[in-house]
Amino acid sequence: DIQTTQSPSSLSASVGDRVTITCRASQSIGNYLNWYQQKPGKVPKSLIYAASSLQSGVPSRFSGSGSGTDFTLTINSLQPEDFATYYCQQSYMTPYTFGQGTKLEIK
Amino acid sequence: QITLKESGPTLVKPTQTLTLTCTFSGFALSTSGVAVGWIRQPPGKALEWLALFYWDDDKRYSPSLRSRLTITKDTSKYQVVLTMTNMDPVDTATYYCAHRGLFYYGSGTYYAFDYWGQGILVTVSS
Repeated sequence: DIQTTQSPSSLSASVGDRVTITCRASQSIGNYLNWYQQKPGKVPKSLIYAASSLQSGVPSRFSGSGSGTDFTLTINSLQPEDFATYYCQQSYMTPYTFGQGTKLEIK
Repeated sequence: QITLKESGPTLVKPTQTLTLTCTFSGFALSTSGVAVGWIRQPPGKALEWLALFYWDDDKRYSPSLRSRLTITKDTSKYQVVLTMTNMDPVDTATYYCAHRGLFYYGSGTYYAFDYWGQGILVTVSS
């Protein structure tokens, strides 16, 4: 199985900050990497597919990059609604695997 | 408009079999490349992928749960059913079904869970 490891597991930041979350795959997955956002008590929301392509309606302050084994999700100019938990997920092959999540909290 | 909704028991006893149904609309599971997946999330923990049912009736399972899971498609073709045998309290979680969409980017075809059901919290307790 391909393992996906996120870091950090939690992160404190302020409105207006720029934050970066990292996801590492245990083997090369090309750019078959997705990012999801989940707010407390809510359903996960697809943000980014193919490592860097934003889903329709996702604000441009979100961006993704990377290929192979190392990927990043960057949020520029954090907004209050961005405080949530973020998950990466590889779709290179089954079993699809999710990272353990990064909880982004207000400082 | 794509929608999915999970249904089934919210309380099961240890050793029982759980049967969850995902009823969807807005897409056909017979469309090439489409799939419906099941993902679960224990309270306060991360998402865990369980199984996937493909448009061509192929199926994939989480290796760690493979012996306990069965995913099927109802003959109506608008429902996907997940059964999990020998339930244990550690299986207490919110269970989601999700549409695996296809996305074309550059020269490749990519997949992501773009629509999710509301989830159903299943508690395993005697």
